[in-house]
Amino acid sequence: KNEVEQSPQNLTAQEGEFITINCSYSVGISALHWLQQHPGGGIVSLFMLSSGKKKHGRLIATINIQEKHSSLHITASHPRDSAVYICAVRNRGGADGLTFGKGTHLIIQP
Amino acid sequence: DAEITQSPRHKITETGRQVTLACHQTWNHNNMFWYRQDLGHGLRLIHYSYGVHDTNKGEVSDGYSVSRSNTEDLPLTLESAASSQTSVYFCASGEESSYNEQFFGPGTRLTVL
Repeated sequence: KNEVEQSPQNLTAQEGEFITINCSYSVGISALHWLQQHPGGGIVSLFMLSSGKKKHGRLIATINIQEKHSSLHITASHPRDSAVYICAVRNRGGADGLTFGKGTHLIIQP
Repeated sequence: DAEITQSPRHKITETGRQVTLACHQTWNHNNMFWYRQDLGHGLRLIHYSYGVHDTNKGEVSDGYSVSRSNTEDLPLTLESAASSQTSVYFCASGEESSYNEQFFGPGTRLTVL
């Protein structure tokens, strides 16, 4: 069973700060997802990575397959970025269902 | 626009009752999934389906069942609801390839009294 660990669990920062959220996993994967869950509860997929780096607007996601580690960065953070960010992995050769981290609760203060 | 919907959005039921949560997607995805989300555990896979008449158990399948009679729907049934099944339930769907994202429904908050 893949163990997915996220850090930090909670993060409060000031508007404009550079944010980094980390995710590590224990077993080789076929893909890693970063998801965003807003206070209303809906879950939105931000990125899916199998290697390298992806960028979308102010969000950047990287993955190091050898280290079994991924990071999500937010540049020029804004209060609307406040949400829970969830890392999830798709196990190699296994079911396509995802294994999730417990999430990082991010609050950006104005 | 294609979408994935869940109903009801909120449900209160009593211990021992049978409950069915609906999930409907118009993406025409073959893969569909049910997850539950609990404080301290994150999201966990309950059941999944790769296509019509295909169903598979996930990590926390005890007490739940699913059936897939068409591409669009994957209802989740709690045969005899228990208080431990109080949770928020999310349905998701995705393309067949492992390298495609999953699309999540809005969730159903279930309370078992």
